[in-house]
Amino acid sequence: NAGVMQNPRHLVRRRGQEARLRCSPMKGHSHVYWYRQLPEEGLKFMVYLQKENIIDESGMPKERFSAEFPKEGPSILRIQQVVRGDSAAYFCASSPPRDGNTIYFGEGSWLTVV
Amino acid sequence: KQEVTQIPAALSVPEGENLVLNCSFTDSAIYNLQWFRQDPGKGLTSLLLIQSSQREQTSGRLNASLDKSSGRSTLYIAASQPGDSATYLCAVTTGTASKLTFGTGTRLQVML
Repeated sequence: NAGVMQNPRHLVRRRGQEARLRCSPMKGHSHVYWYRQLPEEGLKFMVYLQKENIIDESGMPKERFSAEFPKEGPSILRIQQVVRGDSAAYFCASSPPRDGNTIYFGEGSWLTVV
Repeated sequence: KQEVTQIPAALSVPEGENLVLNCSFTDSAIYNLQWFRQDPGKGLTSLLLIQSSQREQTSGRLNASLDKSSGRSTLYIAASQPGDSATYLCAVTTGTASKLTFGTGTRLQVML
């Protein structure tokens, strides 16, 4: 049973480009969460999704950021027109239905904006 | 707004020493508290989960306690080993969804 898979692990983008980060949850997990870890800061919640639904996006920046978890395929965190301040590690986590205590994290995607 | 604080920010100890990491949170209405380990360039590994109704959890050389009324948790590591070197993160859940509020972590180095 593969863990939470994130790709790419490392991504370099120039300012103004788009970044797409993918997350495949563990098998049987229908809940996906995205967290961001800025340099020298703790992890911050961004968004919580279930299949085809955004449940809680209270941690998402108002502009340029969006997330989806389609019926088929991985969850995508999309950052448009990236700026240097978007450079961070983005972690995805998943949990099974009806068991929010059991959460597994992926190894993260490190975004560097140059 | 829930805030989680961890002290110390960094800790360096000789191998074999017992140590305590501290975590405090401002809103005692938590659902649970978890301790995670993060290795450089890696994701998070859950170490211990304490439900709000519990006082402590143990796993091997690790023991975590929770005092919800005072907003504190401790992670006790017995007989530390170099392989324990990592960043330890405390996180609380407020509500039923797995929306975690993290502390900034304690970076532990265990020296030979």
